[in-house]
Amino acid sequence: GENVEQHPSTLSVQEGDSAVIKCTYSDSASNYFPWYKQELGKRPQLIIDIRSNVGEKKDQRIAVTLNKTAKHFSLHITETQPEDSAVYFCAASYAGNMLTFGGGTRLMVKP
Amino acid sequence: GAVVSQHPSWVICKSGTSVKIECRSLDFQATTMFWYRQFPKQSLMLMATSNEGSKATYEQGVEKDKFLINHASLTLSTLTVTSAHPEDSSFYICSAPTGIPPETQYFGPGTRLLVL
Repeated sequence: GENVEQHPSTLSVQEGDSAVIKCTYSDSASNYFPWYKQELGKRPQLIIDIRSNVGEKKDQRIAVTLNKTAKHFSLHITETQPEDSAVYFCAASYAGNMLTFGGGTRLMVKP
Repeated sequence: GAVVSQHPSWVICKSGTSVKIECRSLDFQATTMFWYRQFPKQSLMLMATSNEGSKATYEQGVEKDKFLINHASLTLSTLTVTSAHPEDSSFYICSAPTGIPPETQYFGPGTRLLVL
């Protein structure tokens, strides 16, 4: 089955700096890669996703890149703000099947 | 985005009792729903795939007789934790793919279960 590794497990940045979270996946058949943000005690919220036919996608301060050959994808958050502090999860799936999640990254943005 | 609801949001029960958790898609139909469990400071682990009109598919290590899943309609899936024990205390979250686009999944708000 699919295995998703996520790094780092914790990330502390200064407000205004950029944050990068990286994930690798094992199943070359995976073709959908979403990123979720989860605040304490709440549901994961989809913040951005990318499909395997695209190498990069951007939405305001958030961008995701995908390298299918190397089987890794990354989340980039620019101009971080304190409200970006949360746990971020990457995931991978094939054709709308169940998501396999990475271990999560606790992002702390210091004012 | 699409709306997925879950009920109850939290439950406290005595050891040995059964607890039913409902997951509803409010503005779309879902032939498939997924149930996850999340322990504190850990990732989401898939427990089972709920299929409308057929048996659920359980992940390795998840006891199907302990975690009963029923996908009664295109908008409702239920997870029943039978004979709950303290080690079953966790955050249970369901998700459903909306179909538009086909891969996008939205999560319910989760149910926090505490077994005393």
